Amino acid sequence: AQSVTQPDIHITVSEGASLELRCNYSYGATPYLFWYVQSPGQGLQLLLKYFSGDTLVQGIKGFEAEFKRSQSSFNLRKPSVHWSDAAEYFCAVLNSGYSTLTFGKGTMLLVSP
Amino acid sequence: DAGITQSPRHKVTETGTPVTLRCHQTENHRYMYWYRQDPGHGLRLIHYSYGVKDTDKGEVSDGYSVSRSKTEDFLLTLESATSSQTSVYFCAIMGGQSTDTQYFGPGTRLTVL
Repeated sequence: AQSVTQPDIHITVSEGASLELRCNYSYGATPYLFWYVQSPGQGLQLLLKYFSGDTLVQGIKGFEAEFKRSQSSFNLRKPSVHWSDAAEYFCAVLNSGYSTLTFGKGTMLLVSP
Repeated sequence: DAGITQSPRHKVTETGTPVTLRCHQTENHRYMYWYRQDPGHGLRLIHYSYGVKDTDKGEVSDGYSVSRSKTEDFLLTLESATSSQTSVYFCAIMGGQSTDTQYFGPGTRLTVL
């Protein structure tokens, strides 16, 4: 069965510092991968997605992610974090068939001044 | 916005009572999903629909039923609510031009006392 692991439950980053959130997946075929962000009390917003092609994908709000098949990873990065980036981030893999999603448990990002 | 609304947005109910949550879309998308979000668990799939009257179970379907009598509405029913069903419920849709990307509603916070 497919699964997604986000090893870090919480991460604290200073404003202006770089960010990397880790995501590892288990999936038999070529995965379709997503990162979503959830601000407090809000729904999920799509940051970026990887289906095929270039393994470095750009998303909204200055985020990017790199797909590494050899490491079964899809890590999210941002070169300079802003206080407004404080939120919970979810990595997900699309399952075949009726295109359901399997989510990781999320990483809460805290931004310190 | 992906044209998804959920109602009610907040509900408090008592153990043993039936509860129905509604997801409404204006996008005419074929696929609709119900997830629940709990701390430490991320989002987990409850049920999904791949067309009118076509539904199937997800990972955590026990105690829930769904119905989809028209394209735009997907109802989630807790037949006899329990405290373990206290959660935030999200509806998602997929289809149209982004046939492999899910877009989420704002969520319903349900508390079962």
